[in-house]
Amino acid sequence: KQEVTQIPAALSVPEGENLVLNCSFTDSAIYNLQWFRQDPGKGLTSLLLIQSSQREQTSGRLNASLDKSSGRSTLYIAASQPGDSATYLCAHAGGNKLTFGGGTRVLVKP
Amino acid sequence: GAVVSQHPSRVICKSGTSVKIECRSLDFQATTMFWYRQFPKQSLMLMATSNEGSKATYEQGVEKDKFLINHASLTLSTLTVTSAHPEDSSFYICSAESRGPGELFFGEGSRLTVL
Repeated sequence: KQEVTQIPAALSVPEGENLVLNCSFTDSAIYNLQWFRQDPGKGLTSLLLIQSSQREQTSGRLNASLDKSSGRSTLYIAASQPGDSATYLCAHAGGNKLTFGGGTRVLVKP
Repeated sequence: GAVVSQHPSRVICKSGTSVKIECRSLDFQATTMFWYRQFPKQSLMLMATSNEGSKATYEQGVEKDKFLINHASLTLSTLTVTSAHPEDSSFYICSAESRGPGELFFGEGSRLTVL
């Protein structure tokens, strides 16, 4: 059974620090891996999508890497801002199923 | 990016009534839509996968007679919670898969409260 784990579950940093969010998965048969942001009481916003043939994707201050051999993906957020406070979810797509991690709740303090 | 609209965003109903939630892909056609349920401080749990023109595939433990899913067109899927009970109170989110790279786009979610 596919398991997706996100560590840490919660993270609090001062504004300006870089954020490193980790996602690990057990099934190496991966189609793509997607990172999402969720604000309280809201749906999901897609941040980055990494196809299985790719190693990383970048968008602005966000960079996500994918290492299929070790079953890991990392989301880096540079120079964090209070507006980055949210829950970040990774999702593994494989075998026609999308499996979500438990999420990392991020608080960026001004 | 692509837009998925979910309606209503909030609904309060009495126990025993049925509630319908709509999920629309506004600027793309989605052959596959997914319905998720999220309990407080927990991650999303897939309820069912809906393909246009065919019956939905439900995850284990999800009652198909209670959570009716209809995917009548390439841009609309509906979830009907029948004979709702307080334990059905939750946050329901839909997503639609775009063609091509298979990226998922999510609706804003619908918070159901059953009194």
